[in-house]
Amino acid sequence: EPEVTQTPSHQVTQMGQEVILRCVPISNHLYFYWYRQILGQKVEFLVSFYNNEISEKSEIFDDQFSVERPDGSNFTLKIRSTKLEDSAMYFCASSDFGISGLQYFGPGTRLLVL
Amino acid sequence: DAKTTQPPSMDCAEGRAANLPCNHSTISGNEYVYWYRQIHSQGPQYIIHGLKNNETNEMASLIITEDRKSSTLILPHATLRDTAVYYCIVRENTGNQFYFGTGTSLTVIP
Repeated sequence: EPEVTQTPSHQVTQMGQEVILRCVPISNHLYFYWYRQILGQKVEFLVSFYNNEISEKSEIFDDQFSVERPDGSNFTLKIRSTKLEDSAMYFCASSDFGISGLQYFGPGTRLLVL
Repeated sequence: DAKTTQPPSMDCAEGRAANLPCNHSTISGNEYVYWYRQIHSQGPQYIIHGLKNNETNEMASLIITEDRKSSTLILPHATLRDTAVYYCIVRENTGNQFYFGTGTSLTVIP
């Protein structure tokens, strides 16, 4: 069964450093998403991406964040200058925007900013 | 923001049916009810969804009231591996984001 994959599974970085989180969505999907979950808190939407551009973003997704689909398979989230409060699980999701509107989530990347 | 209300926690005996309620009294006519679950800190996992009719798949059943203001997710024979946080989400069938509330933390007891 097709699934969303994410790398790395864990990332430790120093405050102020840039990180890139990578996702490989399900191959025939057209919509891509990033969510995050701070430890003990809700899953929060960050951004959605369709047709090579951002379609929706939350107030969390400020200028420090960017997304890119550099090739036909990868979808990346970049945090330019990490802060302590960026420590969280980051989940990628994809959707074919078919009749169901379902989103399928990856296993997540645990980011720890020291 | 989340448009649903769920109890914060529930217990269920292993092998018994787990019935998880959800209130969505402000649901509009074109909004679907989706159920996802999150086991520990893993990515949310799709369970089932529906619009008006009751639905069943290999994982669960979804019962939606006739007025669509509430629904119940039924896990027919709960196992220890069903211990998770269960999220009820209402949303139009679009590419828009899912709003995750706090969900129901289900504990299956041996």
